Amino acid sequence: RKEVEQDPGPFNVPEGATVAFNCTYSNSASQSFFWYRQDCRKEPKLLMSVYSSGNEDGRFTAQLNRASQYISLLIRDSKLSDSATYLCVVNIPQGGSYIPTFGRGTSLIVHP
Amino acid sequence: GAGVSQTPSNKVTEKGKYVELRCDPISGHTALYWYRQSLGQGPEFLIYFQGTGAADDSGLPNDRFFAVRPEGSVSTLKIQRTERGDSAVYLCASSPGTGDGSAMPKQYFGPGTRLTVT
Repeated sequence: RKEVEQDPGPFNVPEGATVAFNCTYSNSASQSFFWYRQDCRKEPKLLMSVYSSGNEDGRFTAQLNRASQYISLLIRDSKLSDSATYLCVVNIPQGGSYIPTFGRGTSLIVHP
Repeated sequence: GAGVSQTPSNKVTEKGKYVELRCDPISGHTALYWYRQSLGQGPEFLIYFQGTGAADDSGLPNDRFFAVRPEGSVSTLKIQRTERGDSAVYLCASSPGTGDGSAMPKQYFGPGTRLTVT
């Protein structure tokens, strides 16, 4: 079982739709969670940090559920420009340090 | 300000050759990470530095891979006796510091080096 798992998709949604992705992690001692966005053949760019209390940035809402060991990303009112791969990253304890561990990414395609 | 830069952007080499990939982090960032990303996968952790020292190199796949950061700024990832399976995009990221894990700082990625071993 992988330490961080994401449904690769693709999620194919019309403009204006609401779409949500989850990312599960196996180590309950994991810390510091983030969502990144990656466009084709580009580097990952930080989208937002994820907290237990939840955080919102415009149309984007991220949430951490420690009890069930997953993080989520909700995108409201999808735009064509939201089409990208969304990567979650979880910092997993290992040998006295924390290792940033990425999921494989979830592909989102927003169509007109 | 300037972001993370990586050179070269593309590198094609023959199997068995030695390659060096360079990363210039954001000025003042003390932590530097190397990742490898294959098609359809997320970035895979290789090694990270806190200052000049390798704080964790557990992701390096074998002893053909080595990385240095002698002055706590620029880092070089070195791959000896390259194999076709080493072909991937090598990403570098920097952050202000590793924190205590519970508040791991955000990472800023460079554009990557696309390595092709023929």
